[in-house]
Amino acid sequence: GQQLNQSPQSMFIQEGEDVSMNCTSSSIFNTWLWYKQDPGEGPVLLIALYKAGELTSNGRLTAQFGITRKDSFLNISASIPSDVGIYFCAGRNSNTGKLIFGQGTTLQVKP
Amino acid sequence: DAGVIQSPRHEVTEMGQEVTLRCKPISGHDYLFWYRQTMMRGLELLIYFNNNVPIDDSGMPEDRFSAKMPNASFSTLKIQPSEPRDSAVYFCASSQQGSGEAFFGQGTRLTVV
Repeated sequence: GQQLNQSPQSMFIQEGEDVSMNCTSSSIFNTWLWYKQDPGEGPVLLIALYKAGELTSNGRLTAQFGITRKDSFLNISASIPSDVGIYFCAGRNSNTGKLIFGQGTTLQVKP
Repeated sequence: DAGVIQSPRHEVTEMGQEVTLRCKPISGHDYLFWYRQTMMRGLELLIYFNNNVPIDDSGMPEDRFSAKMPNASFSTLKIQPSEPRDSAVYFCASSQQGSGEAFFGQGTRLTVV
């Protein structure tokens, strides 16, 4: 079945550093989504991307929809302690409506 | 809107018992998804519905799992009989037709002992 490969699996960084994570797939998606999950909570949507090549920002977060429609990346600039959590990419096929997730990137930020 | 509402938040049950998880999607949303989250397997899509009709249940692990959506505002995920390996956090999410964004409930943490 469809799979999303998300990397890195985990990151431990110093406060103030920039972070980059990415997601690749063997399948084409029409929509890429990025979520963050805090402990004990459900994933919360951060950024939605709808067009190949699209670059979208949300505060210190920037995400891009790859030209091939098979990949996406998320950057976090000037990380702060509250950025700690698990970040998920998700790809959606608008023909079927199916939405699948990557394995997640666990981010830890050292003050 | 209150968002996606799941109940119960926590469920502890004995092996062999029937478990029913409930979900109320956001009003007006046409898609409803059920996911299972474990450390080993991450967020797995179990089944999803469009306009109350199941579209893809290929992620349902076994016949012990079943899901229904009797109307646009309610869905259930049932496990009968439950087993310890079913212990996980189960999430429900909903989205609107034509939009890729899906919104999650807070999940049900299931423990089968």
